[in-house]
Amino acid sequence: EADIYQTPRYLVIGTGKKITLECSQTMGHDKMYWYQQDPGMELHLIHYSYGVNSTEKGDLSSESTVSRIRTEHFPLTLESARPSHTSQYLCASSESGSGSPYEQYFGPGTRLTVT
Amino acid sequence: KNQVEQSPQSLIILEGKNCTLQCNYTVSPFSNLRWYKQDTGRGPVSLTIMTFSENTKSNGRYTATLDADTKQSSLHITASQLSDSASYICVVSDRGSTLGRLYFGRGTQLTVWP
Repeated sequence: EADIYQTPRYLVIGTGKKITLECSQTMGHDKMYWYQQDPGMELHLIHYSYGVNSTEKGDLSSESTVSRIRTEHFPLTLESARPSHTSQYLCASSESGSGSPYEQYFGPGTRLTVT
Repeated sequence: KNQVEQSPQSLIILEGKNCTLQCNYTVSPFSNLRWYKQDTGRGPVSLTIMTFSENTKSNGRYTATLDADTKQSSLHITASQLSDSASYICVVSDRGSTLGRLYFGRGTQLTVWP
């Protein structure tokens, strides 16, 4: 079982509210990722980080923002939630470096519903 | 366009039976191919990772094969159990960036009936 945690697991919130999805890992991994996944669809990378104070946007455009102040913590924030943000959000982490393929460990996900 | 296509989209089998899931990809350049198992409402869990030089890898009752020439992979599940009911996702990584970009398939939804 990977040591990567996400809270809350489920969130139902009204339009216009600000929300923060939490993600923490205790493996000391430098790389962390946020993915968005709709039912029956593939995962899409929305943000990633190589380490502290490093954040980059992924392939799928997202109105969310992320921060990486501590190695173990990679929160995602939506300033004003909309129904189009309804989705499952998955956090992942991995070791950095070259050589053998690195393993990505996923958290359990946060199911967000915006009404 | 780099893509990962999986078939079938869904599959129902009886407990104890074997099954094979397929993955075709067009990702280039190619670094490695992974199979993940994702239970409903959970994050994906890695089953196998194969590089270009590997053509088969096993993890218990799961055996993955890779044909890098035809850009095809399969995941064979032996003696299925009820707990095998999940989505199985094929993921291909390129070596064209320091991030080692991952391309995800949409998954095959497997249901095992008693």
